[in-house]
Amino acid sequence: EPEVTQTPSHQVTQMGQEVILRCVPISNHLYFYWYRQILGQKVEFLVSFYNNEISEKSEIFDDQFSVERPDGSNFTLKIRSTKLEDSAMYFCASSELAGEANEQFFGPGTRLTVL
Amino acid sequence: DQQVKQNSPSLSVQEGRISILNCDYTNSMFDYFLWYKKYPAEGPTFLISISSIKDKNEDGRFTVFLNKSAKHLSLHIVPSQPGDSAVYFCAARGNAGNMLTFGGGTRLMVKP
Repeated sequence: EPEVTQTPSHQVTQMGQEVILRCVPISNHLYFYWYRQILGQKVEFLVSFYNNEISEKSEIFDDQFSVERPDGSNFTLKIRSTKLEDSAMYFCASSELAGEANEQFFGPGTRLTVL
Repeated sequence: DQQVKQNSPSLSVQEGRISILNCDYTNSMFDYFLWYKKYPAEGPTFLISISSIKDKNEDGRFTVFLNKSAKHLSLHIVPSQPGDSAVYFCAARGNAGNMLTFGGGTRLMVKP
């Protein structure tokens, strides 16, 4: 069964450093997403991406964040200068369609720890 | 921001009985609702969804009910199995985009 994969599973970084989280969405999916879950809090939407551009973003997704689809398979989230409060589980998701049948399929997540 | 709320942080049921997980929302613009299940160290797994034009959707042991006037949905699992033990999230999507707004989750424990 096709699935979304994410690497690395755990990333530890120093405050102020740049990190890149990687995702391989399901191959025939067209819409890609990043969500995060801070420990003990809700899963929060960050950004959605379609046709090589951002289609929606939340207020969390500020100038420190960027997304890219550098090739036909990877989808990346970059945090330019990490802060302590960026520590969270980051989930990538993808969906085949938008609208009615928008079941988003999630990857296993990357745990980001900022020290 | 509490647009989607799951008021019960945990629920314990006996194997074979019905599990009922509840979710309330406040935003009238939500038009599609989904339930996800999450095991530790894994991402959320899609379970079942319902459009706002329906009031019920069934898939095997899982049924989702939507009461639009009350802005309430529920997930019924019957019969419950020990493998159903997980955290269940409800999520809602507005009619203007694809972003999902999640509830806080309910931890379901099914006892053998």
